[in-house]
Amino acid sequence: EAGVVQSPRYKIIEKKQPVAFWCNPISGHNTLYWYLQNLGQGPELLIRYENEEAVDDSQLPKDRFSAERLKGVDSTLKIQPAELGDSAVYLCASSWGTGGGETQYFGPGTRLLVL
Amino acid sequence: QQQVKQSPQSLIVQKGGISIINCAYENTAFDYFPWYQQFPGKGPALLIAIRPDVSEKKEGRFTISFNKSAKQFSLHIMDSQPGDSATYFCAAAGSFNFGNEKLTFGTGTRLTIIP
Repeated sequence: EAGVVQSPRYKIIEKKQPVAFWCNPISGHNTLYWYLQNLGQGPELLIRYENEEAVDDSQLPKDRFSAERLKGVDSTLKIQPAELGDSAVYLCASSWGTGGGETQYFGPGTRLLVL
Repeated sequence: QQQVKQSPQSLIVQKGGISIINCAYENTAFDYFPWYQQFPGKGPALLIAIRPDVSEKKEGRFTISFNKSAKQFSLHIMDSQPGDSATYFCAAAGSFNFGNEKLTFGTGTRLTIIP
């Protein structure tokens, strides 16, 4: 069974440019998460989807970040415009169920460097 | 406010020794406590998890000890091997408490096993 797929794996952009990350969750997983992981830190939730609905986006900086999950499968996370402080690893995860005790399966992440 | 505190930040253990990582939480609504293992360039992967109805859970060389009254839990790695060298994150979530489903991670422990 394929795991969570993310692309691109690495991205280097100049500040003020837009950037987008793509995630394909494990087949059949209804819940999808986007996390931000700064160097030397644990992942921090940005947004959680249950099917197509964003049920927790309280930590998403909505002035520059946006996300969508069309048809309840793939998801895209966008930053526009990017800032130097956005340099980090963006992780996507998925789980079968929606409760807090569900096992989350993480993708390899997209490492973003903003110059 | 950091809800899950993890220590130590880094740990060096000799091959065959016992590695111990500690975590403390504040939110009494948490009832799911997983440990994730992360290798460089990879996403975190679930290692072992515990719920507060038991004080200990063992899977192979990995054991979680849980102290509900102290709001602390720890990971023990017996007979530590060089392949265990990775970053370990504790985490916590509330399974069915509205607003506490988010998985909150500790800051991570970089474990190095030396020959």
